[in-house]
Amino acid sequence: AQSVAQPEDQVNVAEGNPLTVKCTYSVSGNPYLFWYVQYPNRGLQFLLKYITGDNLVKGSYGFEAEFNKSQTSFHLKKPSALVSDSALYFCAVTPKGGGSNYKLTFGKGTLLTVNP
Amino acid sequence: EAGVTQFPSHSVIEKGQTVTLRCDPISGHDNLYWYRRVMGKEIKFLLHFVKESKQDESGMPNNRFLAERTGGTYSTLKVQPAELEDSGVYFCASSQVRRGGSSGNTIYFGEGSWLTVV
Repeated sequence: AQSVAQPEDQVNVAEGNPLTVKCTYSVSGNPYLFWYVQYPNRGLQFLLKYITGDNLVKGSYGFEAEFNKSQTSFHLKKPSALVSDSALYFCAVTPKGGGSNYKLTFGKGTLLTVNP
Repeated sequence: EAGVTQFPSHSVIEKGQTVTLRCDPISGHDNLYWYRRVMGKEIKFLLHFVKESKQDESGMPNNRFLAERTGGTYSTLKVQPAELEDSGVYFCASSQVRRGGSSGNTIYFGEGSWLTVV
């Protein structure tokens, strides 16, 4: 069975500083990895995904994530945080192939707060 | 292009009542999914439609939950009778189906239907 761990319930950073939201995963075989963001009282918004190829994936709003197979990690990063980045971030995984790419397994979410 | 739309956005019902949630997927998306997040816990998969067919309903918690997708367009999720533990956010999502099997298609989520059972 697949699983996702987001070890930090909360992350606080100052505006302008780099941010990292951590994610590790467990899945049989190769993974598809996703990051979603939920702004207050809003739905889940797709940020980026890793399917294959370059381990560094760039997504919306200046976010990027690095796939590290040996460490089974997919940490979300941004070089310079904005107050408007404050939201709940979810990492998700699904195994590659077999038509099962629909069934995302999510982490518990990490609340990011960017302080002015 | 419209995204995944869900109705109602918020619902407060009494224990024992019935609630029906509706989801309109992105036009052209044959895959439709329901997920749920109970307060403070992970987002959990409920079920998956391909067009009008239920592909996987392994995540449905019990027989008080019934999902339909008549005609392969919009979907409804009915909870009858509702219990306190059903409170949470119900997300609908959709994605395209591509020939040749899975290809890591992006799954797009709606705003969610926030259900409170009192």
